[in-house]
Amino acid sequence: AQSVTQLDSHVSVSEGTPVLLRCNYSSSYSPSLFWYVQHPNKGLQLLLKYTSAATLVKGINGFEAEFKKSETSFHLTKPSAHMSDAAEYFCVVRPNNNDMRFGAGTRLTVKP
Amino acid sequence: NAGVTQTPKFRVLKTGQSMTLLCAQDMNHEYMYWYRQDPGMGLRLIHYSVGEGTTAKGEVPDGYNVSRLKKQNFLLGLESAAPSQTSVYFCASSYDRGRWYGYTFGSGTRLTVV
Repeated sequence: AQSVTQLDSHVSVSEGTPVLLRCNYSSSYSPSLFWYVQHPNKGLQLLLKYTSAATLVKGINGFEAEFKKSETSFHLTKPSAHMSDAAEYFCVVRPNNNDMRFGAGTRLTVKP
Repeated sequence: NAGVTQTPKFRVLKTGQSMTLLCAQDMNHEYMYWYRQDPGMGLRLIHYSVGEGTTAKGEVPDGYNVSRLKKQNFLLGLESAAPSQTSVYFCASSYDRGRWYGYTFGSGTRLTVV
């Protein structure tokens, strides 16, 4: 079975410090991987995606993620957090010929 | 340039009442999905459709029915609402079942069943 695990339910950082949101997946095949962001009372917005091209993926708002097949990880990073980054982040795996599976989400809090 | 539109945005139902949630997309996408979002559980797939006139069960289909009579619309029905169906419901659509382009989501419907 294919699934995705977000290792932290809540991450708190100070403004201007780095952000790391961790995601591990299990998949029998080479999957597509996504990060979505959800701001309070909003829908989900695509941040970035990995679809078997470059392993380091750049997304919107300065976020990046690196696909590491040997570690089955797809961690989301940002060098410097901004207050507007406070939101819930979802790691999503799309196994081959199947529909998306969502992680439980990581709530990011940014302190002034 | 609307993308995916969900109506209504909020609704309060009494136990046993019925209602229909409407999802409309203007991107000519073949694939459409209904998810529910509950705290600590991410999004769980209720039903989905791979084209006009088709529907299929997802992970948590019990208590829900769907219809896709027109390509652009995907309806989610609750025949007899229960408090366990209190949730935020998201509709999504995709061009390629998410393989390259991911999904486009609506802004959600917050449903409370009392």
